[in-house]
Amino acid sequence: EIVLTQSPGTLSLSPGERATLSCRASQSVSGRYLAWYQQKPGQAPRLLIYGASTRLTGIPDRFSGSGSGTDFTLTISRLEPEDFAVYYCQQYDASPPSIAFGPGTKVDIK
Amino acid sequence: EVQLIESGGDLVKPGGSLRLSCIASGFSFSNVWMNWVRQSPGKGLEWVGRIKTRHDGATTDYAAAVKGRFTMSRDDSKNMMYLQMDSLKVEDTALYYCATDFSTAYFGSWGQGALVTVSS
Repeated sequence: EIVLTQSPGTLSLSPGERATLSCRASQSVSGRYLAWYQQKPGQAPRLLIYGASTRLTGIPDRFSGSGSGTDFTLTISRLEPEDFAVYYCQQYDASPPSIAFGPGTKVDIK
Repeated sequence: EVQLIESGGDLVKPGGSLRLSCIASGFSFSNVWMNWVRQSPGKGLEWVGRIKTRHDGATTDYAAAVKGRFTMSRDDSKNMMYLQMDSLKVEDTALYYCATDFSTAYFGSWGQGALVTVSS
């Protein structure tokens, strides 16, 4: 079973700054089955990026994903006020089907 | 617009049972694999299980933590999905979301969740 760790736990930044979030897997993520979600208080998570680097339709291009194997990164190029939230990575393994989430990184306002 | 609404959350004693429902609208429910995902303060987000479409055999897959205790089903005529939870444990306490499958491996749309509390 793949375990995901995310760092840092909390990232304190100002609007306009760049945010770099890390997700590390305990073993290689096959097929780059890695996604990123954003969750705001009182809301369900929202899918932002899948396949490690593909933005969902409608997601602003300030969000980008990269990485492969065991190391993945979500970058928010210039933080907007609405981007302050918790971000989770998620991986999928097809055989047998298993899905794991990371513990999350909170991006808050400095 | 895709809409998912969960119901059935409640307070239940350890060892008890509960059934959650999820009603879907705004998309072709019968053609979409569906999932349950739960979230608790202690364990974060945790995938519970998924059910495929009737076309794909309506087969189910479950996380190890709930296999043998939880059962998913769907009624395409009513656009409904269900989660039957038996032998509930304190650690099953969580907000349970229903979510659509996206590209087999991810979760595209989510409901607002149903709260399940297991406590004596």
